Amino acid sequence: QVQFVQSGAEVKKPGASVKVSCKASGYSLITYSLHWVRQAPGQRLEWLGWIHFAEDNTKYSQELQGRLTFTWDTSANTAYMELSSLKSEDTAVYYCARSNNLKLDFWGQGTLVTVSS
Amino acid sequence: QSALTQPASVSGSPGQSITISCTGTSSDIGVFDYVSWYQQHPGKAPKLMIYEVNNRPSGVSNRFSGSKSGNTAALTISGLQAEDEADYYCCSYTTSTIYAFGTGTKVTVL
Repeated sequence: QVQFVQSGAEVKKPGASVKVSCKASGYSLITYSLHWVRQAPGQRLEWLGWIHFAEDNTKYSQELQGRLTFTWDTSANTAYMELSSLKSEDTAVYYCARSNNLKLDFWGQGTLVTVSS
Repeated sequence: QSALTQPASVSGSPGQSITISCTGTSSDIGVFDYVSWYQQHPGKAPKLMIYEVNNRPSGVSNRFSGSKSGNTAALTISGLQAEDEADYYCCSYTTSTIYAFGTGTKVTVL
């Protein structure tokens, strides 16, 4: 069955970068688009962006444009999200989710990123 | 991006029906039928409950239903059960080819 396993929790200092991985199983990663979503403690879901593998392009939220980079490794069936110049307000759980006809039908378990000096 | 607007909380007794609204604009809900709803229990990942306004994925109870009128979508839970207590988020595709989530609604079963 379709499943995503994300990398473990991270603690980073302000100004550093973090890279979160999302390994897919049960299907080939590039056959569906993939989204990244985050949720700060006690806050709502925030859409970060998506990868159109078929079109080989990415779309980022305006708020994080310039600090956010999505990449993928087809051979490892894994996608990556890197966020740079971290701030305390980037502390959140980061999720990857598969997009199937514009609905997010399978989600990873989430990765907690804590930004603290 | 601007969030879609949902009530902060909705409550109901077991067996009752409740409805959660989700208000957007003519750039999202008003122009696309790509509205989905997600249920999130504490400490868990969101789960798809409704897609394309009123469709249920396999395995989701038929007590959950969706609708849309103009710029507002709605999720109705009928026959409310204790396990339905969770946070619910709407989500819409937009004309900017990005997604917008709602502000989230906490459902309490009294």
